[in-house]
Amino acid sequence: NAGVMQNPRHLVRRRGQEARLRCSPMKGHSHVYWYRQLPEEGLKFMVYLQKENIIDESGMPKERFSAEFPKEGPSILRIQQVVRGDSAAYFCASSPRPLSVDGYTFGSGTRLTVV
Amino acid sequence: DAKTTQPTSMDCAEGRAANLPCNHSTISGNEYVYWYRQIHSQGPQYIIHGLKNNETNEMASLIITEDRKSSTLILPHATLRDTAVYYCIVFGNEKLTFGTGTRLTIIP
Repeated sequence: NAGVMQNPRHLVRRRGQEARLRCSPMKGHSHVYWYRQLPEEGLKFMVYLQKENIIDESGMPKERFSAEFPKEGPSILRIQQVVRGDSAAYFCASSPRPLSVDGYTFGSGTRLTVV
Repeated sequence: DAKTTQPTSMDCAEGRAANLPCNHSTISGNEYVYWYRQIHSQGPQYIIHGLKNNETNEMASLIITEDRKSSTLILPHATLRDTAVYYCIVFGNEKLTFGTGTRLTIIP
């Protein structure tokens, strides 16, 4: 009964490289949410996806960031041409229903360091 | 744009009850009060949620005032492992939005 699985746990990228963060939701959950936490700050919503659809991307930076949740496989958060300011913890959460009052279950996060 | 106000930090002695307040004066009728916590830099952990009645589970109790404008999370017997940032969130039909939370430190 695995929870939300994120990988890798730690990711180091040089400036200008691409970062791919993966999130496998809990079994039976088809709604995924990505959050970013900059050092010493709170969690900021980035994007909400359902299988094959982006529902709300109001928190995504306009450039270099994209997210997908294909029919098969994990959700992917992709950051192109990373910069130092992208260094942060990225958390994924899932829920069984849209905006579920059961709450979200969070993964352990991916810590991205850009050098 | 969080809809809640929480103290920035609190201390509590180990073994005592930790009472964390939250103001949510603009809460609307169909919005729930949720509590999550984040231990060190781990993922947020769900604690409890409620609509208007008081709630209790194995982790905590949630007391919501009758007018629903404020609530209190109670950890009945705090341990060192309860040191964390606690987030009070008002949640309706939008995404979970985290504020800055209360940094609770349990003192040995």
